[in-house]
Amino acid sequence: AQSVAQPEDQVNVAEGNPLTVKCTYSVSGNPYLFWYVQYPNRGLQFLLKYITGDNLVKGSYGFEAEFNKSQTSFHLKKPSALVSDSALYFCAVRDDILTGGGNKLTFGTGTQLKVEL
Amino acid sequence: EAEVAQSPRYKITEKSQAVAFWCDPISGHATLYWYRQILGQGPELLVQFQDESVVDDSQLPKDRFSAERLKGVDSTLKIQPAELGDSAMYLCASSLGRRQEQYFGPGTRLTVT
Repeated sequence: AQSVAQPEDQVNVAEGNPLTVKCTYSVSGNPYLFWYVQYPNRGLQFLLKYITGDNLVKGSYGFEAEFNKSQTSFHLKKPSALVSDSALYFCAVRDDILTGGGNKLTFGTGTQLKVEL
Repeated sequence: EAEVAQSPRYKITEKSQAVAFWCDPISGHATLYWYRQILGQGPELLVQFQDESVVDDSQLPKDRFSAERLKGVDSTLKIQPAELGDSAMYLCASSLGRRQEQYFGPGTRLTVT
């Protein structure tokens, strides 16, 4: 069974500093990895995805994520954090349709990012 | 920009009552998903449709939950009877196809008293 782990419930960072939100995954086939962001009382917004190719994936709002196969990690990063980045971030893994999966996303428990002035 | 629509946004109901949620996916999206998000947790898939057919309802509590997408466009999720443990955010998402990224609606926050 596929799973993701987000080891930090909350990450605090000062505005202008780089931020990292951690995610590790476990899959039996090829990993298809996603990051979503959720603002209070809102649905999830897609940030970026890794399917194949370059290990550094660029996404929306200046976010990027680094895929590391040997460490089974897919950490979310941003060079300079903004107060408006404060939100709940979810890492997710999708099962492989080629191995019988159906595009089911399995989410982590989320990491609350707080960016302070 | 096209969005997934959901209604109502908030619902308060008493235990043992029936409740229904509606979702209108992005136009042209063949795949529709219903997720349940309990406070402090990530969303969990309840049911997935491809057009009007259910392709995955393995996590749907079928004794009380039902979902339909009769014409392959909008969808309804029903709970009857509601239980206290059903209090959660119910999220609808859609995608062009089963391999495409999913776009989420704003959700319906259900409180069962």
